[in-house]
Amino acid sequence: GQSLEQPSEVTAVEGAIVQINCTYQTSGFYGLSWYQQHDGGAPTFLSYNALDGLEETGRFSSFLSRSDSYGYLLLQELQMKDSASYFCAVGSGGYQKVTFGTGTKLQVIP
Amino acid sequence: NAGVTQTPKFQVLKTGQSMTLQCAQDMNHNSMYWYRQDPGMGLRLIYYSASEGTTDKGEVPNGYNVSRLNKREFSLRLESAAPSQTSVYFCASNIKRGHNEQFFGPGTRLTVL
Repeated sequence: GQSLEQPSEVTAVEGAIVQINCTYQTSGFYGLSWYQQHDGGAPTFLSYNALDGLEETGRFSSFLSRSDSYGYLLLQELQMKDSASYFCAVGSGGYQKVTFGTGTKLQVIP
Repeated sequence: NAGVTQTPKFQVLKTGQSMTLQCAQDMNHNSMYWYRQDPGMGLRLIYYSASEGTTDKGEVPNGYNVSRLNKREFSLRLESAAPSQTSVYFCASNIKRGHNEQFFGPGTRLTVL
């Protein structure tokens, strides 16, 4: 089966940089993606890595190392609105089956 | 372009009652999914449909059935609701095989008494 591990909570200061790590175990790895979810809202897609390396989308970057079964999400120039839960997710198998981690709750403080 | 829509937004059931959660997407996506999310937890896959006419079990399928009515619509049915099914249910869709960008509906908040 699939399993993912990420920290449950992270606190960071407004304007700073924060890194949220994700390690995974899966068969037939298809890619690692990241989602943001504000309290009471639906998850929204942030980024996707199929290959090793860094993907940058504005203030957010995501990194993948397939040999280490590891990835991270990097948030720069933190804003108060970035306070949310962040989930890593892996695709696996021959189908579009996606497994989510349990999420990291990010609190941005002034 | 409404994206992914779900009905109802809220529902309260008594133990043993049945109901169907509706989901529709207007993005011409091939794959659709049903997840449940419990407090402080990630999303757990209940069922998914890789394409019209096919459905497969996910991580937690017991107590649920699904129907992929057509390419747009994917419904989730609870035949005999139990308190353990109290949760927030999200429907999602994506188009690209092997690419994990999923689009989520707003969710249905279900309470079973």
